[in-house]
Amino acid sequence: EIVMTQSPATLSVSPGERATLSCRASQSVSGNLAWYQQKPGQAPRLLISGATTRATGVPARFSGSGSGTEFTLTISSLQSEDFGIYYCQQYHDWLTFGPGTKLDFK
Amino acid sequence: EVQLLESGATLGQPGGSLRLSCAASGFDFMDFAMIWVRQAPGKGPEWVSSISSGGDATYYTESVRGRFTISRDNSKDTVYLQMNSLRAEDTAVYYCAKGLTNRAYYPGYFYHWGRGTLVTVSS
Repeated sequence: EIVMTQSPATLSVSPGERATLSCRASQSVSGNLAWYQQKPGQAPRLLISGATTRATGVPARFSGSGSGTEFTLTISSLQSEDFGIYYCQQYHDWLTFGPGTKLDFK
Repeated sequence: EVQLLESGATLGQPGGSLRLSCAASGFDFMDFAMIWVRQAPGKGPEWVSSISSGGDATYYTESVRGRFTISRDNSKDTVYLQMNSLRAEDTAVYYCAKGLTNRAYYPGYFYHWGRGTLVTVSS
């Protein structure tokens, strides 16, 4: 099973600042990596698939990069609605999710 | 608009059984695989089971294989998860999700999720 790890566990950022979230796979997943945002009491929302492709309706301030084992989700200028927990998920070898990064505001 | 609505009994005892349902609308249900994903409190999501569009192929994560059964009724646009021999570690929010294709194998990622239903296993 491919194990996904995420860092940091918690990230505190001020509105308007840039946030960088990291995801690492225990072995290569090529570009088969998705990112989700989850808010309390809600289901995860797909943000990015294929490591870099934004889902329909996702603002351009969200961008994904990376391949192989190292991936990054960048939010260029944080808005108040961006708080929540962010999960990465690989779908190269079946599918597994990371433990999440909680993004909150300073 | 795709909608997925989970329902079912949500409190079970260790060793007991529960059945969850997920009613789908807004898409051609019989053309897509369906998936159950769960999320234990404070943890990341975990894939549980997948079923192909025709119901002929099913897959399970190791920890539920032999205890859980996924099925679907395409005439009712509904997918089910029968959970037997429940354990405390099955406590989680259970989500159903729409597959990207008709295949249950390697289901990919998920655009569409239900709102989830909390299953608690406790004596």
